[in-house]
Amino acid sequence: DTAVSQTPKYLVTQMGNDKSIKCEQNLGHDTMYWYKQDSKKFLKIMFSYNNKELIINETVPNRFSPKSPDKAHLNLHINSLELGDSAVYFCASSYVGQPQHFGDGTRLSIL
Amino acid sequence: GENVEQHPSTLSVQEGDSAVIKCTYSDSASNYFPWYKQELGKGPQLIIDIRSNVGEKKDQRIAVTLNKTAKHFSLHITETQPEDSAVYFCAASPSLRNNDMRFGAGTRLTVKP
Repeated sequence: DTAVSQTPKYLVTQMGNDKSIKCEQNLGHDTMYWYKQDSKKFLKIMFSYNNKELIINETVPNRFSPKSPDKAHLNLHINSLELGDSAVYFCASSYVGQPQHFGDGTRLSIL
Repeated sequence: GENVEQHPSTLSVQEGDSAVIKCTYSDSASNYFPWYKQELGKGPQLIIDIRSNVGEKKDQRIAVTLNKTAKHFSLHITETQPEDSAVYFCAASPSLRNNDMRFGAGTRLTVKP
């Protein structure tokens, strides 16, 4: 199936740990994104990335870093996890200027 | 930056009735306005979008209207069905690259059979 896929679907971990969420798209898109959805369902863009530039939302703490090994992957690394990082994280992809396609999310819970 | 407001936050309708969700935006440079449907445990799925050079777009039971002067756009769902129940998000993007897309807070639509 053509899709944006994220792993893991659920991630439960302790405060202070470092974790990664993986994202892969097989749609051939040139741009990928990470979003955070809080408990009130509010969606906020964190990063957008293509092979030329990374654009970071200025409100994102530098504990969050995207890493792209190739055009089809954009992984999210989070250092020193905090309670406030608990949320659902969505990966998305698109061609420049075209609609974004979202993955099904990773629910991150910090204990 | 862009600020998108969405109303209502919850909407309950009887099956077969119409549902309307409204959004306003602040940045007059915004030129792309997608609508997403999010079902439980899933990611947002694009259902319809409109660009600023168009005032209205329709796809079967779903239509979107855009008023650039007033900076508002609306989603209209006719002949609602229980499977339309979901959270709906509007969004606005002031650039073609969509790297600064701003979403509304969402509307939880419930269609009662």
